[in-house]
Amino acid sequence: EVQLVESGGGSVQPGGSLRLACTTSGFIHSDFSMSWVRQAPGKGLEWVAHIKQDGSERYYVDSVRGRFTISRDNAKNSLYLQLNSLRAEDSGIYYCARDTGDIVTKPGVPDIFYYYMDVWGKGTTVTVSS
Amino acid sequence: SSELTQDRSVSVALGQTVRITCQGDSLTNYYASWYQQKPGQAPVLVVYGVNKRPSGIPDRFSGSNSGNTGSLTITGAQADDEADYFCGSRDKSGKHWVFGGGTKLTVL
Repeated sequence: EVQLVESGGGSVQPGGSLRLACTTSGFIHSDFSMSWVRQAPGKGLEWVAHIKQDGSERYYVDSVRGRFTISRDNAKNSLYLQLNSLRAEDSGIYYCARDTGDIVTKPGVPDIFYYYMDVWGKGTTVTVSS
Repeated sequence: SSELTQDRSVSVALGQTVRITCQGDSLTNYYASWYQQKPGQAPVLVVYGVNKRPSGIPDRFSGSNSGNTGSLTITGAQADDEADYFCGSRDKSGKHWVFGGGTKLTVL
């Protein structure tokens, strides 16, 4: 069974740090890009960060760039998110998700790419409050 | 980064058909994917690509894409379909993700 399990959430004061982890099973971890997505209480989904299969490329939403770091250890089937300089607005549930895609090729028309997050963990909660 | 726009709420009578739409510049480059989220649960992928459904998702869920608009259609809505639905895609750069604000579906 394909599974993602997040851990590491908790309560922290503004300016503090946390390290989230996501352990995967049921598939070849190193074959897939991964993303972190968060959801503030009562709000929608917000993509936070993405890392390619071998960790060679990492991307972040503007609001966390320079404060958060995504990483992975393929030998341990694990994904991480280091959260530094936390702010109240970083509070929410943090989900890890398997991030994949494909391409539609038809003669005579431009290729269409599609990406999707096909497996999600149950999430871990981060609360930033004084 | 680009944005994706969804209606905040939609209602449908039990057994009827409902379409939820998502608009944004990035959808001219990338097909939308659709996620169902019930209260207290993680999102679940329901439709992606060219009208594809993951294993276990009922065939009453379908998707389409045209220009800058992606659509999720539920044909014969069931009470169990009552949930929030989010669309998502890569942005124009292809490096970041964007999500719509979500549509709350009520089944009457």
